[in-house]
Amino acid sequence: AQSVTQPDIHITVSEGASLELRCNYSYGATPYLFWYVQSPGQGLQLLLKYFSGDTLVQGIKGFEAEFKRSQSSFNLRKPSVHWSDAAEYFCAVGALTGGGNKLTFGTGTQLKVEL
Amino acid sequence: GAVVSQHPSWVICKSGTSVKIECRSLDFQATTMFWYRQFPKQSLMLMATSNEGSKATYEQGVEKDKFLINHASLTLSTLTVTSAHPEDSSFYICSARDGSPSSYNEQFFGPGTRLTVL
Repeated sequence: AQSVTQPDIHITVSEGASLELRCNYSYGATPYLFWYVQSPGQGLQLLLKYFSGDTLVQGIKGFEAEFKRSQSSFNLRKPSVHWSDAAEYFCAVGALTGGGNKLTFGTGTQLKVEL
Repeated sequence: GAVVSQHPSWVICKSGTSVKIECRSLDFQATTMFWYRQFPKQSLMLMATSNEGSKATYEQGVEKDKFLINHASLTLSTLTVTSAHPEDSSFYICSARDGSPSSYNEQFFGPGTRLTVL
């Protein structure tokens, strides 16, 4: 069964500082990997995704993530954080099952940005 | 493109009543829709997978008779919480899978429905 681990429950960074959110996955084949962001009381917005090809993927809002198969990781990065980036971030791994792409989510990382 | 809506965005009901939540894909056809439940400050837990025109597949531990799912068309799935109790209070989020070949089976998420059972 697939699983996702986000080791950091909370992270606080200063505005303008760099950010890295960690994500490790467990999956038997090549995974489909996603990062989503959720603001309080809202649904999920897709930041970026990896299916195949270039292991460094660019997303929206200046985010990027790097797929490292040897480390089973898909860490999310941003060179300079903005106060509006404060939110909950979820890493997810997808599997193709009979009916579609079943997603398994990590427990999330709450990002706080200090001004 | 790829917009998913949910209605209502929030609902308050009395214990023992039933509540229906709608999930619509607005600009694409969704052969598969997913229903998730999210408790405060926790992750999303998949409740069931809904395929158009067939019965939903429920995850282990999810009561089929309490959470009725209907996927009658390619753009609409409904979740009915029957005989709701306070412990059913939660944030319910749906997603829809775009089955077109170029989408890599990506899921698009609705904005969620906050259910409060008094």
